[in-house]
Amino acid sequence: DAGVTQSPTHLIKTRGQQVTLRCSPKSGHDTVSWYQQALGQGPQFIFQYYEEEERQRGNFPDRFSGHQFPNYSSELNVNALLLGDSALYLCASSLALTGLSNQPQHFGDGTRLSIL
Amino acid sequence: GESVGLHLPTLSVQEGDNSIINCAYSNSASDYFIWYKQESGKGPQFIIDIRSNMDKRQGQRVTVLLNKTVKHLSLQIAATQPGDSAVYFCAEILNPYYNQGGKLIFGQGTELSVKP
Repeated sequence: DAGVTQSPTHLIKTRGQQVTLRCSPKSGHDTVSWYQQALGQGPQFIFQYYEEEERQRGNFPDRFSGHQFPNYSSELNVNALLLGDSALYLCASSLALTGLSNQPQHFGDGTRLSIL
Repeated sequence: GESVGLHLPTLSVQEGDNSIINCAYSNSASDYFIWYKQESGKGPQFIIDIRSNMDKRQGQRVTVLLNKTVKHLSLQIAATQPGDSAVYFCAEILNPYYNQGGKLIFGQGTELSVKP
């Protein structure tokens, strides 16, 4: 049973560039969330996608955008990269079950993004 | 504000001892909590969850206790092993929509170090 997979594992970009990160959810999951984790900190919620739409968004600027595809996979795009965008970007998937309460989110190992 | 915090940033225990990691949350309306373990270079790994209608839940070697009166969460690890060394995060779901996945609010984390 494949877990959450993310690509690439590491990426180096320069300021002003754009980046696209990819995520495949755990088999059977339909909801994808993205988090940013700075060194020594807990993950911060960026946004969540369900049924190919952004359902919730955290306190991140419009430079951060995403997409979910019909097969539930997702992309995170960041434009006009800043030095402060250097972080581990985590994808988490879960299953939205109508009529039931929250289900746990399962994480991938992330993409380490370094901005020079 | 809405946040989840941890009392101790580091915890050192002897192998075989029991470990207790504490967490405070501030939103009394939160209804779902998760403990994650994060090893170096990896994404957060789901350990155990608990819903607000429970005050205790047990897993394999782990127990989570929820005290809603004082908004406190704890993770107990029995017979701690060197493989338990990691950063532990508690996370809170702020979910305005009962049937949807919600966003996780993480604390800063507690680093558990197990001495052989």
